[in-house]
Amino acid sequence: QKEVEQDPGPLSVPEGAIVSLNCTYSNSAFQYFMWYRQYSRKGPELLMYTYSSGNKEDGRFTAQVDKSSKYISLFIRDSQPSDSATYLCAMSAGNTPLVFGKGTRLSVIA
Amino acid sequence: DGGITQSPKYLFRKEGQNVTLSCEQNLNHDAMYWYRQDPGQGLRLIYYSQIVNDFQKGDIAEGYSVSREKKESFPLTVTSAQKNPTAFYLCASSISWVNTDTQYFGPGTRLTVL
Repeated sequence: QKEVEQDPGPLSVPEGAIVSLNCTYSNSAFQYFMWYRQYSRKGPELLMYTYSSGNKEDGRFTAQVDKSSKYISLFIRDSQPSDSATYLCAMSAGNTPLVFGKGTRLSVIA
Repeated sequence: DGGITQSPKYLFRKEGQNVTLSCEQNLNHDAMYWYRQDPGQGLRLIYYSQIVNDFQKGDIAEGYSVSREKKESFPLTVTSAQKNPTAFYLCASSISWVNTDTQYFGPGTRLTVL
């Protein structure tokens, strides 16, 4: 079993839809969880960061962590064509290298 | 303007040649990282450096070498021993090794070996 699993997609949704992106993981020591957004041929940029379990909201984006299920989610409300990108989950136990998911490619169609 | 720069953006080399990718940061970060990204593979860690004059192998270090002589610079050499060097290479940095979570990435270098 891979340490971090993420469905690569592609995921295609109409503009205005709610998007749900997910990752599962196997290492119970992970306590720092991140979502990065990567536009085509660019470096990833940090989108959301959460520590331990719970929710975090930032504008149209909500990150959820369920440590009991080893499951994290990113929700995008009122999705826009500019949200079209690859979304990478990443996690760490702290003082250890980040472990990345393979990324989910999202297309928001106008 | 603070950030991470990688050069060049595109690089072409003949098979059997060594090539060095540049990574510079002016964020005053202690830790720096090199990742390789292939289609459908996500980011895989090649090497990382916690501090100047120190570096450790990541998951896929074979065929690569690095140096960290200055805090702001972490060049990566792709040697002829690397069997499949064609990929997108990303450099990143974080404030310290303790804060490995918040990594900032450069724009990447796309290496094509002909």
